[in-house]
This record gives sequence, structure tokens and C-alpha cells, in this order.
Amino acid sequence: EAGVAQSPRYKIIEKRQSVAFWCNPISGHATLYWYQQILGQGPKLLIQFQNNGVVDDSQLPKDRFSAERLKGVDSTLKIQPAKLEDSAVYLCASSRGDQPQHFGDGTRLSIL
Amino acid sequence: KQEVTQIPAALSVPEGENLVLNCSFTDSAIYNLQWFRQDPGKGLTSLLLIQSSQREQTSGRLNASLDKSSGRSTLYIAASQPGDSATYLCAVGRGLTFGKGTHLIIQP
Repeated sequence: EAGVAQSPRYKIIEKRQSVAFWCNPISGHATLYWYQQILGQGPKLLIQFQNNGVVDDSQLPKDRFSAERLKGVDSTLKIQPAKLEDSAVYLCASSRGDQPQHFGDGTRLSIL
Repeated sequence: KQEVTQIPAALSVPEGENLVLNCSFTDSAIYNLQWFRQDPGKGLTSLLLIQSSQREQTSGRLNASLDKSSGRSTLYIAASQPGDSATYLCAVGRGLTFGKGTHLIIQP
């Protein structure tokens, strides 16, 4: 089966600009996750979707981050405006039921 | 708030050794526990998933145990190989809470 697809792989922007990331989960996976991984740290959950509904967004900085999952398939994560501390790898994962989460290769974001 | 700690932060051993990576968590009311592997510049690969009702899982040279009462899990790697070199991450819950990982180097 095809894995979780993410794009772009790399993005460089200046602070205060906006940026968007895209994720296509594995077919049939109802649950989709976005994680932020800062260098040297483990990933931190930003938001979890079940189909197109939000299950957990308690750690999403809602003043600047937003995410949507239209039609319960693809998802986009947006940052507006970006801050220097947003430099990180943004990982998307998907899962079905109680099965393990499958991760994409991530988008590496650098803020200048 | 759930916190996950992994010890050691880094480990370097000669090829062929058996080794143990440790993970501890503060809230024993976990849904499940997963061990992942992360290679440089890549996403995470799930190695083993232990449901909260289980005590261990095995896959090839890997064995993971879970002791919910003490808030601990261990990942045992038998007969280590250079290809095992990676960062190993432990995570608990549905929306996963991760430790910082153990950076493992297997010397040829």
C-alpha cells in the first residue's frame, strides 16, 4: 500500500510570512495526526482528526496555526504568521482503528 | 499531563551485542505503547505496538515489554547490527506522547 504522502519536503520562509503543508493519508485510514518535531526532541501532537472532525487540538497554537481535513481524506496545516520558534519538522501520520500509526517523511520548515 | 522519559539519551555499542532501551511514563492509564525507529531525515517507522492489556510483543530480533503498574517499558534488541543504528522513540496514548528518544550507534 502507498504510504503517507506529504509536501513540500522542505520550506524556507521569513518570519511573519505564512506557509501551508499538505498531507495525503493511507487509503482507508480514518484518523489523521499532525505532529511538530523540534530538533533533538520527540514529536509533539498538534491536532488529531477522526474523519473530518477534530478529536484533539489542545496543543495547537490556535492564534497562528490552523488545520483542516476536508472530506475526511487530505489535510492541510497552515501557519500564519510564522515565528522563529516554528522552525521544525512537521509530520503527518494516519491510522485505522487500533492499528499503529504510519508516518510520512515530514516537511522541514526553516524560518529566517 | 503525561510525560515520557527515555534512558539512555545515546548509546554506542559494538556489533553483535544485545542491548536494552528504557522508557518510563508518569500516567499508567495508557491506551497503548509504541516503539518507533527514526532514521535521519525520515519519518517514523513503527516497530512494536503493545496494547494496555498486553505484557510484551516480539518481532524478529526485537522484544518490547510493558509494566503499566511501574510505568515502564523496555525494548530489547538481540544481536545488534550496524543497520540498527537510528533513533528509537517510545510513545504512549492514542494521540501519541513521545519521549526524546535514544540515539543508537552500532559499531561495525
